[in-house]
Amino acid sequence: GEDVEQSLFLSVREGDSSVINCTYTDSSSTYLYWYKQEPGAGLQLLTYIFSNMDMKQDQRLTVLLNKKDKHLSLRIADTQTGDSAIYFCAEYSSASKIIFGSGTRLSIRP
Amino acid sequence: DAGITQSPRHKVTETGTPVTLRCHQTENHRYMYWYRQDPGHGLRLIHYSYGVKDTDKGEVSDGYSVSRSKTEDFLLTLESATSSQTSVYFCAISESMDRGTNQPQHFGDGTRLSIL
Repeated sequence: GEDVEQSLFLSVREGDSSVINCTYTDSSSTYLYWYKQEPGAGLQLLTYIFSNMDMKQDQRLTVLLNKKDKHLSLRIADTQTGDSAIYFCAEYSSASKIIFGSGTRLSIRP
Repeated sequence: DAGITQSPRHKVTETGTPVTLRCHQTENHRYMYWYRQDPGHGLRLIHYSYGVKDTDKGEVSDGYSVSRSKTEDFLLTLESATSSQTSVYFCAISESMDRGTNQPQHFGDGTRLSIL
């Protein structure tokens, strides 16, 4: 069945780049999304990429898509303390449902 | 931010009692969703609605029912709450479920429900 997988934790030093990885199983996915969840809040849409693109840049965020390997990544440049959150990868599957990964908790070291 | 309000934001109740959570939207979106979020499981879809009085089950619908009598309101009911239903519940909305168009879901701030 459809599945989206992410590593659970990532720790980076403030000012470094963070790279959060995601793999998915549905080769028919159209849109892929990254959401950010801060403590006590809901999921906030950060960015998206369409399946016919391989890269999308939006200020400090860069999304890379390797459709052959079904691998999606989110790079955050110059990571700040305000970037501490849980990041969810999600795909729009062939069943017209959005499937979410389990989330990657990003923590920032001073 | 999308106009989505969940109520209550926090609730503590006892096993066996009925509980209703409310989601209210001001965006006039057709689709509304209820998810639960648990450690290690991410978000799991409970039920969703594709219009007034039109609902369907998600992957974890057992023990839950929903109702949608107006476009703006989507209610989630636990008829007889159990401790396994302790979780954080999120409502989401979207304009469509058409995977050919960019129609992401937008989320409320969640309801933290504890069942003792």
